[in-house]
Amino acid sequence: RKEVEQDPGPFNVPEGATVAFNCTYSNSASQSFFWYRQDCRKEPKLLMSVYSSGNEDGRFTAQLNRASQYISLLIRDSKLSDSATYLCVVSADRGSTLGRLYFGRGTQLTVWP
Amino acid sequence: NAGVTQTPKFQVLKTGQSMTLQCAQDMNHNSMYWYRQDPGMGLRLIYYSASEGTTDKGEVPNGYNVSRLNKREFSLRLESAAPSQTSVYFCASSGGLPHNQPQHFGDGTRLSIL
Repeated sequence: RKEVEQDPGPFNVPEGATVAFNCTYSNSASQSFFWYRQDCRKEPKLLMSVYSSGNEDGRFTAQLNRASQYISLLIRDSKLSDSATYLCVVSADRGSTLGRLYFGRGTQLTVWP
Repeated sequence: NAGVTQTPKFQVLKTGQSMTLQCAQDMNHNSMYWYRQDPGMGLRLIYYSASEGTTDKGEVPNGYNVSRLNKREFSLRLESAAPSQTSVYFCASSGGLPHNQPQHFGDGTRLSIL
């Protein structure tokens, strides 16, 4: 089983729509969680960290459900500039893999005018 | 701020040639990482260095070697390049343990092996 699983999409939504991405992880010991975005042929960039209580950054809301080992990202009022691939990222917190992060394969989002 | 700097940005090699990809960070980070990214495969960890003086294998280390030259620099070497190593290579760094901080990426090296 993969450490991080994401729906690859693609998600195609109109400007102004609300869209949600989900991600599941397999390591119950993981302590740190992030969402990254990656534009075509560019490097991944940190979008936001995900905290246990859930957190919001402008139009973006991230939530964590430890019991179900599930992370979500909600984007409200989608903009054309939100078009990208969104990567779910989970820390490895045991044994020899301490210090590593596991990246999902990403969910592709296209926002159309 | 430069952040993470990778050189070169593009390279074409012939099968069997060797080369070294360079990576340097100016954020005083302890941990550094090398990934490769292929279409449909996502990011795969090649090697990482949790701290200066240590290196460990990731998911796909075969055909590669690394050197953590000092705290700032972490190089990736292909001793005998193969077409299967055609990929985009990303270097990343993070503050590291104990808080599993997010990683910051360089803008990549696009490597083609003919």
